[in-house]
Amino acid sequence: NAGVTQTPKFQVLKTGQSMTLQCAQDMNHEYMSWYRQDPGMGLRLIHYSVGAGITDQGEVPNGYNVSRSTTEDFPLRLLSAAPSQTSVYFCASSLQITTDTQYFGPGTRLTVL
Amino acid sequence: GENVEQHPSTLSVQEGDSAVIKCTYSDSASNYFPWYKQELGKRPQLIIDIRSNVGEKKDQRIAVTLNKTAKHFSLHITETQPEDSAVYFCAARWGGSARQLTFGSGTQLTVLP
Repeated sequence: NAGVTQTPKFQVLKTGQSMTLQCAQDMNHEYMSWYRQDPGMGLRLIHYSVGAGITDQGEVPNGYNVSRSTTEDFPLRLLSAAPSQTSVYFCASSLQITTDTQYFGPGTRLTVL
Repeated sequence: GENVEQHPSTLSVQEGDSAVIKCTYSDSASNYFPWYKQELGKRPQLIIDIRSNVGEKKDQRIAVTLNKTAKHFSLHITETQPEDSAVYFCAARWGGSARQLTFGSGTQLTVLP
């Protein structure tokens, strides 16, 4: 198994540009989530999904959209990038709704100029 | 929602000494408390977790204790080694939500040789 994968590893955007961060897992996990990590602030939940076709907002959802058309993929879309979205983004997944252990992807480092 | 506070933000210890990191949480219904280790430039990785029906859990040099009454839990690392140097995050899972974890702000642990 590849586990949780993310692409790209690094990205530089200009203010106002849009882009999609990709996340995929091959472990048949029901639960997937997106976090952003900023210095001194830990990991903050952006959006999450408890299964295909079901998504919900986390703590900091503004400026981001998600969809979950398949169990494997959970892309995060930045609609109009802002410098405040400069961060490291991690995708994570859990096996089932009754299983707590979350496995993280390698992360995407995003810089918005 | 849940609020998790983590202390200290930085911790330096001599190799072979013990290290203790403490977290407090606000939601008395929280029932799952994982600890993650993150090395520089890497993804967070689960090192130990505890559920609310258990007071203490140990795995070799790492242990976690939970005090539900006081709503705090702690990570204990004994016989520290240079490879223990990393950022450690605690987290708490809301009692009433689907797999959502709230993270502390992290502790930078440095083990001095």
